[in-house]
Amino acid sequence: QKEVEQNSGPLSVPEGAIASLNCTYSDRGSQSFFWYRQYSGKSPELIMFIYSNGDKEDGRFTAQLNKASQYVSLLIRDSQPSDSATYLCAVGGSGNTGKLIFGQGTTLQVKP
Amino acid sequence: GAGVSQSPSNKVTEKGKDVELRCDPISGHTALYWYRQSLGQGLEFLIYFQGNSAPDKSGLPSDRFSAERTGGSVSTLTIQRTQQEDSAVYLCASSLTATGAANEKLFFGSGTQLSVL
Repeated sequence: QKEVEQNSGPLSVPEGAIASLNCTYSDRGSQSFFWYRQYSGKSPELIMFIYSNGDKEDGRFTAQLNKASQYVSLLIRDSQPSDSATYLCAVGGSGNTGKLIFGQGTTLQVKP
Repeated sequence: GAGVSQSPSNKVTEKGKDVELRCDPISGHTALYWYRQSLGQGLEFLIYFQGNSAPDKSGLPSDRFSAERTGGSVSTLTIQRTQQEDSAVYLCASSLTATGAANEKLFFGSGTQLSVL
């Protein structure tokens, strides 16, 4: 079992729809959870982080964390073609070791 | 510097040669990471440095890979006797500190595209 798992996609949604990206992790002691966006040929950039169970909203983005289910998700409302990218889930290990493990990423395609 | 700097941006080498990849983190960042990304894949953790602590080398794929960080700043990733499967983008990232979850936000460099012929 991979430490951090994501569906590679592609996930295709029409412009204006909600895109839902999911991630599961295996280390039950994980403390921190991040979503990075990576455009083709570019380096990843942080878009959201969440540490506590529940929802965290930032503009059109909402991160959701359920530690009991070892599940973290990212919702993108009013999806735009510029949101088309690969979204990488990253999980910090237990004990705040600092080591971040990334999933393989989900490719999102927003069609005009 | 303003961001994480990596050099070279591209490196083409012949199978069996050694290569060195350099990373210059953001000034003041104590944590430094190396990841590898093969075409169409996610980020594979290689090694992590935090301050003066012993590095976490658990992701290095073989003993041909090594890394050091001098003076708590610049890091060099060395791959000896390169193989074709080593071809990938090697990404370096730094963060302010990794002693607390709030400081694990990574800032990435532009990467080194390594091609082993």
